[in-house]
Amino acid sequence: EAQVTQNPRYLITVTGKKLTVTCSQNMNHEYMSWYRQDPGLGLRQIYYSMNVEVTDKGDVPEGYKVSRKEKRNFPLILESPSPNQTSLYFCASSFVRFDAEQFFGPGTRLTVL
Amino acid sequence: GESVGLHLPTLSVQEGDNSIINCAYSNSASDYFIWYKQESGKGPQFIIDIRSNMDKRQGQRVTVLLNKTVKHLSLQIAATQPGDSAVYFCAEKQRGSTLGRLYFGRGTQLTVWP
Repeated sequence: EAQVTQNPRYLITVTGKKLTVTCSQNMNHEYMSWYRQDPGLGLRQIYYSMNVEVTDKGDVPEGYKVSRKEKRNFPLILESPSPNQTSLYFCASSFVRFDAEQFFGPGTRLTVL
Repeated sequence: GESVGLHLPTLSVQEGDNSIINCAYSNSASDYFIWYKQESGKGPQFIIDIRSNMDKRQGQRVTVLLNKTVKHLSLQIAATQPGDSAVYFCAEKQRGSTLGRLYFGRGTQLTVWP
């Protein structure tokens, strides 16, 4: 089944404790992206990647890192999480084509205490 | 600030009625628009898209209308069903921006009651 998977789905952590949220897709998509979703703000893009070893900042990159060592994986790293990073995170992927449909993962709900 | 926004944050309709969800955008460089549906506890799911060289596009029970003059986008759902209850987002791609970058509106919560 073609899908985007994220792990973990739920995570409660404390301020400053490094964490990684994994994202994997099995559709051979070049493009992958991370969004955060907060009430009343819709989805905001954190980072995106056009292909392996090619990443760029989205609209809200502060406090996050990403890497793209393999085409199928695009982990999101929070080196020192803070409470304002408490949010619902979505990974998405698509082909690099103007009208390519973007597929979303199921989401990761992160709470930073 | 966001260039994609919504007129109404919530919409309640009776089962069987038609629903209309609106979206305004401010960037005239936007040339591709997508509607997503997000059910509770799930990620956004593609519904329908439209290019800026079109005024209307129809899918199964859904129609998207684009009015470039007033920078307005709408999603019409015919014979709304309880399974249509979800948050609906419009998103845009902007001419000249990186392929794949999407800009989302805040969303409209659609509630369908029997």
